Amino acid sequence: AQSVTQPDIHITVSEGASLELRCNYSYGATPYLFWYVQSPGQGLQLLLKYFSGDTLVQGIKGFEAEFKRSQSSFNLRKPSVHWSDAAEYFCAVGMMNRDDKIIFGKGTRLHILP
Amino acid sequence: SQTIHQWPATLVQPVGSPLSLECTVEGTSNPNLYWYRQAAGRGLQLLFYSVGIGQISSEVPQNLSASRPQDRQFILSSKKLLLSDSGFYLCAWSPREETQYFGPGTRLLVL
Repeated sequence: AQSVTQPDIHITVSEGASLELRCNYSYGATPYLFWYVQSPGQGLQLLLKYFSGDTLVQGIKGFEAEFKRSQSSFNLRKPSVHWSDAAEYFCAVGMMNRDDKIIFGKGTRLHILP
Repeated sequence: SQTIHQWPATLVQPVGSPLSLECTVEGTSNPNLYWYRQAAGRGLQLLFYSVGIGQISSEVPQNLSASRPQDRQFILSSKKLLLSDSGFYLCAWSPREETQYFGPGTRLLVL
C-alpha cells in the first residue's frame, strides 16, 4: 500500500538558517510527488511537484526538493528561511490516473525563531 | 485562470442538526473533485471524490455524504451532525492526471 512518512512533527529553525524537511514514501511504481504548505486556517498551497525528469525540482517561494529513488525520499529544502515560512508542510504521493488520488503525510510544522 | 470557492468559511452547528457545505470551481470543465477532513494534528483524510456528475466514491464509511449535481459543484452533507464531525473541511479539484488544487476550507464546530 502507498504511504508517506514525515518523521518530524515539529521543526524549529532560526530566521536566515537553512531548512530541510524529510519525506519518505512507499509506492510500488514511479511515484508522483508533491509538497504543499498550509498556513493556519488556510487551504493547502502547492509548493512543487515531481512527475518525471530532473530529480531536483524548483518550486515557489524559493523551495526545492530532490527525488532520490534509492532512498525513497523527496526532501524539501530552502537555503535561507524567512519568518513568513512558518507553516505546516505536507508531503504527498500519488498516481496520476482517472481519479488522481493523493496520499498525504501527517505534516511537519515549521517554527521560525527571530 | 481557475479558482475554487468554499462556503461557508466558518460554521457552528448543534449536534443532530443537518449540514451542507458547498464547493464550486470556476474556469475549468469536467474536473475531478475531492472532499477532505483535517482534524487537529491528524493530517488530511480523504472523504469523497468524484470523477463526473453524479459519480461519487466514498473513502471512509461515516455520517457524511457527498453529491455532485453540476459539473463544477461538489456538496458535502449530513442529516445529523455528531460531535466527531468537527474539523476543517477542504475541497480540492484536479484537471485530470494532474495535481490537486485546494480551496480555502470550512471550519466546522459541532457543539
